[in-house]
Amino acid sequence: SYVLTQPPSVSVAPGQTARLTCGGNNIGMRSVQWYQQKPGQAPVEVIYYDSDRPSGIPERFSGSNSGNTATLTISRVEAGDEADYYCQVWDNGSDHPGVFGTGTKVTVL
Amino acid sequence: QVQLVQSGAEVKKPGASVKVSCKTSGYTFSSYYVSWVRQAPGQGLEWMGWMNPNNGDTGSPQKFQDRITMTRDTATTTAYMQLNSLKSGDTAVYYCARGGGYKYGHFDFWGQGTLVTVSS
Repeated sequence: SYVLTQPPSVSVAPGQTARLTCGGNNIGMRSVQWYQQKPGQAPVEVIYYDSDRPSGIPERFSGSNSGNTATLTISRVEAGDEADYYCQVWDNGSDHPGVFGTGTKVTVL
Repeated sequence: QVQLVQSGAEVKKPGASVKVSCKTSGYTFSSYYVSWVRQAPGQGLEWMGWMNPNNGDTGSPQKFQDRITMTRDTATTTAYMQLNSLKSGDTAVYYCARGGGYKYGHFDFWGQGTLVTVSS
């Protein structure tokens, strides 16, 4: 089955830029979603279809996808951005089409 | 506004079944797939399957196919997920999520989660 690999943790100072990666074989050929999850809460979609932002999500969140790596970029990081972030793709036609990455914990220093 | 409201926490013994409900509102129920996603304590997200509320069609990975049943009540716009033959490894928070108008949509709204604890 398709595997998505994310670094376990990323630390960033307030006001700086965080870049979270999601690696997968030819992931650039797939649409990638990103979900933010704060402790004790349900996930919230922050990026869909590689780079689209749902209404209500700040422009500081952006996404890109090419080759074997998708990237979620959080600009001007704020304390409230501290959370776990999961990438997700569909592996169409496989036995297990819904695939989530392993997740990255973002810590704001 | 779109809402998905799930049933409350459950404690079950190994071998039992659990049925989690997901009451939806604020949109046309039949127009969007509903997926179920679970999260074991301290672990990541795991997709369990989807249901097309329009016709009741479902799909899930082989891992769950023998144990999971996803249904819906269109009159109350509620989706249900039943998991049978529970094991301790099924202890997790279970989420329903609204997908797109087709199988491979994105999860734009989520329920609040239902904690299922399996313990003897």
